[in-house]
Amino acid sequence: GAVVSQHPSWVICKSGTSVKIECRSLDFQATTMFWYRQFPKQSLMLMATSNEGSKATYEQGVEKDKFLINHASLTLSTLTVTSAHPEDSSFYICSAPGTSTDTQYFGPGTRLTVL
Amino acid sequence: GENVEQHPSTLSVQEGDSAVIKCTYSDSASNYFPWYKQELGKRPQLIIDIRSNVGEKKDQRIAVTLNKTAKHFSLHITETQPEDSAVYFCAAHREGTYKYIFGTGTRLKVLA
Repeated sequence: GAVVSQHPSWVICKSGTSVKIECRSLDFQATTMFWYRQFPKQSLMLMATSNEGSKATYEQGVEKDKFLINHASLTLSTLTVTSAHPEDSSFYICSAPGTSTDTQYFGPGTRLTVL
Repeated sequence: GENVEQHPSTLSVQEGDSAVIKCTYSDSASNYFPWYKQELGKRPQLIIDIRSNVGEKKDQRIAVTLNKTAKHFSLHITETQPEDSAVYFCAAHREGTYKYIFGTGTRLKVLA
């Protein structure tokens, strides 16, 4: 099946710094990718939809200036958490749809810890 | 707005018993319902799915049922094993979009 990778798998940073997370579709092209955030013992919450060649679409309540998304190519989307704070510490997961709109392939996730 | 309710939030069963997790969705335009198993710190893994034109689907010890009229769908795991212990999420997908709405998750513990 289709494979989605994320890098890094975990990152620890100081408060106030920015962190970039990459999401790649390894064996297929994805014009759309999705970024989710998952706090401990909670569900996956969709943050934004990343669109190749155009602006990302953010869900209600997600600050677009804080969570910068760039869909640079058909196989790469990046999420940059700017001026990170401890409350941004979470598990960030990306996904990409398959050939049909209903299937999605999830990345392995990135655990961000902000000190 | 669209939402998916999932119950129970935690479930403990003895090894060999059955486990049932239920979800209710609000968007009548939803047409695809996947179930995911997530182990701690790992990505969600698709374990079974069902489309709106089907009422039931089975894959070995796992089955999913869908009642489109009532907007309910359920996951059934029979002959549970300790390795079934994980968090399970249901999701609903709206036809014509890429968007998934996830349930709140069920932490399943299978006691040996």
